[in-house]
Amino acid sequence: EAQVTQNPRYLITVTGKKLTVTCSQNMNHEYMSWYRQDPGLGLRQIYYSMNVEVTDKGDVPEGYKVSRKEKRNFPLILESPSPNQTSLYFCASSRQGAGGELFFGEGSRLTVL
Amino acid sequence: DAKTTQPTSMDCAEGRAANLPCNHSTISGNEYVYWYRQIHSQGPQYIIHGLKNNETNEMASLIITEDRKSSTLILPHATLRDTAVYYCIASPSSGSARQLTFGSGTQLTVLP
Repeated sequence: EAQVTQNPRYLITVTGKKLTVTCSQNMNHEYMSWYRQDPGLGLRQIYYSMNVEVTDKGDVPEGYKVSRKEKRNFPLILESPSPNQTSLYFCASSRQGAGGELFFGEGSRLTVL
Repeated sequence: DAKTTQPTSMDCAEGRAANLPCNHSTISGNEYVYWYRQIHSQGPQYIIHGLKNNETNEMASLIITEDRKSSTLILPHATLRDTAVYYCIASPSSGSARQLTFGSGTQLTVLP
């Protein structure tokens, strides 16, 4: 089954404790992206990657890092989480040339105390 | 990307057609109209997209006006499981999806 898998789905952590949210897709998609969703602000793009070793900032990259060492994986790293990074995070992927046809993961709800 | 305008919320009776409008009066010639939906806090789900011709798939139909300034997503026989936020997005189709901008969408509530 074609899917985008995120882990963990739920996490409560404390300020400053580094964490990584993993994202993996099994569709051999070139493009991957991370979004965060907050009430009243909609979905905002954090980072995206056009292919292996190619990443770029989205609209709200501050406080986040990403890497794309393999085509299927695109982890989101919070080096020193802060309470304003409490949010619902989504990973998405698409094949090159598919335009706006994105496949989304189920989401990761992160709470930073 | 062109700005899109959607009603904040709509209701529809179960079994009836749900018609969700979207205004995109500043859409440019190379921009497609995409529709997604998000059920509760799940990941958004792609529904359909089109450029200027009407499109239909197993989920929905998309009607785009001749001047391309507006469109309507039609769910032909709405069910309770279609209750969701529906997003209309205008974006170029060439290349990748990095330019997708999700707005506030329309909260569709299907009533029993």
